[in-house]
Amino acid sequence: SQKIEQNSEALNIQEGKTATLTCNYTNYSPAYLQWYRQDPGRGPVFLLLIRENEKEKRKERLKVTFDTTLKQSLFHITASQPADSATYLCALDAPKTGRRALTFGSGTRLQVQP
Amino acid sequence: GAGVSQSPRYKVAKRGQDVALRCDPISGHVSLFWYQQALGQGPEFLTYFQNEAQLDKSGLPSDRFFAERPEGSVSTLKIQRTQQEDSAVYLCASSSQSGQQNIQYFGAGTRLSVL
Repeated sequence: SQKIEQNSEALNIQEGKTATLTCNYTNYSPAYLQWYRQDPGRGPVFLLLIRENEKEKRKERLKVTFDTTLKQSLFHITASQPADSATYLCALDAPKTGRRALTFGSGTRLQVQP
Repeated sequence: GAGVSQSPRYKVAKRGQDVALRCDPISGHVSLFWYQQALGQGPEFLTYFQNEAQLDKSGLPSDRFFAERPEGSVSTLKIQRTQQEDSAVYLCASSSQSGQQNIQYFGAGTRLSVL
């Protein structure tokens, strides 16, 4: 069956360090992989999208990699700040299957200590 | 409005009551999705509309769940005879259909508590 795994334990890092979050999937061939941020009591907010034929995507302090052989995406936040503390969700999109809904991982909670 | 609006933000229901949750998507967005999010989990797909057509309802957990989008804009998710396991946050998202990218814009959700 299809499965998406994100680190279930919270990630605690010191301000200024680089946070690296992992998203692994099995039995899935997504065309796109997206990362969302979710704060308590709020809906997810889109951050970055990477296509299956792209290896890396950057946006300001954010970087996403996508390895379709390993079936893994890494999400990096450089020079982390306390304001980056939130839950980060990866989501798979496979439009070729005819399915338009995103399939989400369970999220990783990031805590950046000042 | 500028974003996706959901109401009510919080709903407390007694077991067996019917509830209706409303979603007002971003103006002009063709696609509308409903997701259910349990505590500590990611959103789980419920149903998808393209304009007024419900194209995918494979995620609805039972026939007590019903969704509609009669005029292709506002959508309502109805849960009949609520049960405790229905307690969750219900998220609505909308998306334009520009290209193949399926970037979704979420509302803040409705937190449903069934007592």
